[in-house]
Amino acid sequence: GAGVSQSPSNKVTEKGKDVELRCDPISGHTALYWYRQSLGQGLEFLIYFQGNSAPDKSGLPSDRFSAERTGGSVSTLTIQRTQQEDSAVYLCASSLIPDFNYGYTFGSGTRLTVV
Amino acid sequence: DQQVKQNSPSLSVQEGRISILNCDYTNSMFDYFLWYKKYPAEGPTFLISISSIKDKNEDGRFTVFLNKSAKHLSLHIVPSQPGDSAVYFCAASSKNSGTYKYIFGTGTRLKVLA
Repeated sequence: GAGVSQSPSNKVTEKGKDVELRCDPISGHTALYWYRQSLGQGLEFLIYFQGNSAPDKSGLPSDRFSAERTGGSVSTLTIQRTQQEDSAVYLCASSLIPDFNYGYTFGSGTRLTVV
Repeated sequence: DQQVKQNSPSLSVQEGRISILNCDYTNSMFDYFLWYKKYPAEGPTFLISISSIKDKNEDGRFTVFLNKSAKHLSLHIVPSQPGDSAVYFCAASSKNSGTYKYIFGTGTRLKVLA
């Protein structure tokens, strides 16, 4: 696609429920990243994929969070047993290759609200 | 522990003047730096980068300066335009960290007044 697509754009869920957030990266981009931005905070790194493998998942806050990427394309971030502190904008980004000199292309994010 | 700090939450500048956005970092291993711009309800957009082998990088109206000894970088926008009004994030990474993740600051909201 022309850009990074994320769905849903907004999600309201009850505490304790599971949610799945989807990311469609730019076609051909091998690297994919998940970040989140809580209110008043900077972007917090969650996980990075190169192809289908995740060399760095150090940012996942707890074992309730998991992510996978299939076919070197679509990625799903799953949050189990959601808590109110999980409320944030979840941003996905992709890059053609991992390269320090160039920024990623971000999607518009999924705003998750846990009530 | 905030490794990348943007101490000014907001900044207002008159149209046509220079905007200077500042960023400080604590980790001396950081050697790559990016600036992003973010409009409401959109994802951040990459603006400009600099590596530690340089102290300045310029792209049109945007210039980033890096002072390694002070662990400080700044983004200059000249001349500022109303369309530049957005939140600006700086981000830092280390090539030796074994990962391509960036650490982001909390952002500075720039308002350019017409």
